[in-house]
Amino acid sequence: KAGVTQTPRYLIKTRGQQVTLSCSPISGHRSVSWYQQTPGQGLQFLFEYFSETQRNKGNFPGRFSGRQFSNSRSEMNVSTLELGDSALYLCASSAGTSGGQGDTQYFGPGTRLTVL
Amino acid sequence: SQQGEEDPQALSIQEGENATMNCSYKTSINNLQWYRQNSGRGLVHLILIRSNEREKHSGRLRVTLDTSKKSSSLLITASRAADTASYFCATELYKLSFGAGTTVTVRA
Repeated sequence: KAGVTQTPRYLIKTRGQQVTLSCSPISGHRSVSWYQQTPGQGLQFLFEYFSETQRNKGNFPGRFSGRQFSNSRSEMNVSTLELGDSALYLCASSAGTSGGQGDTQYFGPGTRLTVL
Repeated sequence: SQQGEEDPQALSIQEGENATMNCSYKTSINNLQWYRQNSGRGLVHLILIRSNEREKHSGRLRVTLDTSKKSSSLLITASRAADTASYFCATELYKLSFGAGTTVTVRA
């Protein structure tokens, strides 16, 4: 099976712009979760989508949003970019059938976003 | 905010030695998982231990969980250069909460 893919792998934006990141899960997986990784805050959970519905959400401002399509592919959008949004954004897919209680998460390689 | 705290933050060992890292957490969990990350790439799932389990093995990995102390440990035996990576514990209660990680360097 092909692994989780994320596009683009690298992105440079300026403050105030918006950005959309894409994640294609492993075939058959219905859950996609997004994480932000920074040197200061570490790995932080953004949100999880399961069958096109947001199932869980972390503590991020409303500038961070996401969606999931019927083929389980997911996009994450960040509007009005700030310097602090520079990070590695990771998505992970899982079967999602245990409702967040023990599904193995398979991570993509990440999108490195730099905000200037 | 992070749920787990790993200790030590960094570890340097000789090839063939064992590496032990610890994770402490604050709230109730359904399970605890360990992940490895190489040089800022994606994470690789290593092992999952449920809250009603005390010890689990996978190849050269041994994980223990003590829910009364809210702590877990990961032991890598007979380390290899390829084990050089950052290791994260993550607690799950409907979502994963990661610790800050332990950076392990295995010297040849």
